[in-house]
Amino acid sequence: RKEVEQDPGPFNVPEGATVAFNCTYSNSASQSFFWYRQDCRKEPKLLMSVYSSGNEDGRFTAQLNRASQYISLLIRDSKLSDSATYLCVVNNNDYKLSFGAGTTVTVRA
Amino acid sequence: DVKVTQSSRYLVKRTGEKVFLECVQDMDHENMFWYRQDPGLGLRLIYFSYDVKMKEKGDIPEGYSVSREKKERFSLILESASTNQTSMYLCASHGRTGTFKSYGYTFGSGTRLTVV
Repeated sequence: RKEVEQDPGPFNVPEGATVAFNCTYSNSASQSFFWYRQDCRKEPKLLMSVYSSGNEDGRFTAQLNRASQYISLLIRDSKLSDSATYLCVVNNNDYKLSFGAGTTVTVRA
Repeated sequence: DVKVTQSSRYLVKRTGEKVFLECVQDMDHENMFWYRQDPGLGLRLIYFSYDVKMKEKGDIPEGYSVSREKKERFSLILESASTNQTSMYLCASHGRTGTFKSYGYTFGSGTRLTVV
């Protein structure tokens, strides 16, 4: 079983729509959680950290469910510029990060 | 802002060549990492280093070695390049402080290596 699993998508949504997707992680001892964004042929960049209580950054909301071992990302009022691959990232009790293979989101006009 | 610089964006090498990928960070970070990224497989850890002259194997170290002679520089070496090492290679770093939990890694812009 992969350490971090994501639905690869693609999620094709119109501008202004809400899109949400999850990722599951296998290690119940995982400590820190992140969503990274990766544009085509570019490096991953941190979108947001995910805190136990859930957190919001503008149109982006991240949630953590430790009991079921998944994290989620919700994008409200989608923009064309939100088209990207979103990587779910998990840290165990060290400095290494484990990456999901990514969920592709395409926002169409 | 932390800057992680990879020396080449694109490289084409021949099978059997020795290949050096260089990564330099400018924020005095202790921890540095090399990943490769392939479609459908995500990022996979090749090697990492917690300090100068220290290195540890990641999940897929076969066919690779690394060097960390200075704190700011972490080199990935393909001893004898093969076609199955064609990939995007990403270097990352972070400091050994509490900010890791908030900021994760900073990545270089990647090197797309093609072995022919």
